[in-house]
Amino acid sequence: QKEVEQNSGPLSVPEGAIASLNCTYSDRVSQSFFWYRQYSGKSPELIMSIYSNGDKEDGRFTAQLNKASQYVSLLIRDSQPSDSATYLCAVNRGGSYIPTFGRGTSLIVHP
Amino acid sequence: DGGITQSPKYLFRKEGQNVTLSCEQNLNHDAMYWYRQDPGQGLRLIYYSQIVNDFQKGDIAEGYSVSREKKESFPLTVTSAQKNPTAFYLCASSIRGATGNTIYFGEGSWLTVV
Repeated sequence: QKEVEQNSGPLSVPEGAIASLNCTYSDRVSQSFFWYRQYSGKSPELIMSIYSNGDKEDGRFTAQLNKASQYVSLLIRDSQPSDSATYLCAVNRGGSYIPTFGRGTSLIVHP
Repeated sequence: DGGITQSPKYLFRKEGQNVTLSCEQNLNHDAMYWYRQDPGQGLRLIYYSQIVNDFQKGDIAEGYSVSREKKESFPLTVTSAQKNPTAFYLCASSIRGATGNTIYFGEGSWLTVV
């Protein structure tokens, strides 16, 4: 089992809809979770971090963490075409402070 | 402005050549990293350094070398021993959080073997 798994997609949603991106991880002792957005040909940029179970909201983005089920998700409300990108999930390795990245989910928001 | 600067943005390497990618940060971050990304793939850790004059191998260190003589700088050399070096290289740095490091990336360097 890979340490951090994401569906590669593409996930296609209409403009204005909610996009839901999911990530599962294998290491139960992981404590820090991150979502990055990467446009084609560009470097990843941090969207959000989450450390505690539950929801964390920042503008149109909501991160959800469930440590018991070992998944973290990212919701994007009112999706815009400019949200079209690859979204990377990162989880810190148990016993280490170094995050491990998933392969990313490609999101396409169509007008 | 604070940030992470990588250079060059595009680099071409001939077979058998060593090339060095530069990474400089003025964020006063202790830790620095090098990742490699192949098309359609995730990020793979090459080397990382938590402190000056110390660094550790990541998952794919073979064929690469680094140095960390200054806090601000973490250059990556892609040696001729790296047989498939064509990729997008990302330098990153981080502050150390209570439960993990939040990583920030430079703009990346594209390396192509010709």
